Amino acid sequence: AQSVTQLGSHVSVSEGALVLLRCNYSSSVPPYLFWYVQYPNQGLQLLLKYTSAATLVKGINGFEAEFKKSETSFHLTKPSAHMSDAAEYFCAVRPAGDQFYFGTGTSLTVIP
Amino acid sequence: ETGVTQTPRHLVMGMTNKKSLKCEQHLGHNAMYWYKQSAKKPLELMFVYNFKEQTENNSVPSRFSPECPNSSHLFLHLHTLQPEDSALYLCASSQELGQGAEQYFGPGTRLTVT
Repeated sequence: AQSVTQLGSHVSVSEGALVLLRCNYSSSVPPYLFWYVQYPNQGLQLLLKYTSAATLVKGINGFEAEFKKSETSFHLTKPSAHMSDAAEYFCAVRPAGDQFYFGTGTSLTVIP
Repeated sequence: ETGVTQTPRHLVMGMTNKKSLKCEQHLGHNAMYWYKQSAKKPLELMFVYNFKEQTENNSVPSRFSPECPNSSHLFLHLHTLQPEDSALYLCASSQELGQGAEQYFGPGTRLTVT
């Protein structure tokens, strides 16, 4: 069975500090992995995706994520948080087939 | 209009009402999706359409009825809903159904069932 676990439903960081949002997945086959961001009253927007090429994936707004097969992880990082990064972040896995499996989301708060 | 649009943005309906949600994508994509987003729960895939044909129905109750007249439009017809159906309903589209095809989401319709 496929699943996605996002550790920490709420994360708070100070402006300028490192952002680390955790995502672990389980999949019986090599998956494609995605991170989406959702701002208030908006739909989900793709930040980045892993498609079995480079294990370190760079996305928009300075975010990046590293695929670690041995740890079945795909954590999202950003070196320096900005106030505009405050949002809900969703990790998703897509094994072969047409269905996405989403995590429950992590709400990021940035403290001035 | 660009991207994926959804109307209405907010909807309040009684349990005996009939209403419809509309989604339109201006991206030239071939696949469209309905998701339900409830607080503290993962996004739930409801329906998938590819080239207007339904390819996925994730055990959704029959009080939700999708319609896809063409690759650009997707509707979700609602009737005799329950209070637990209150949620944010998101529409998405993708170029195709391939594993790496990213989905583009609309802003959602916030549905409240009273």
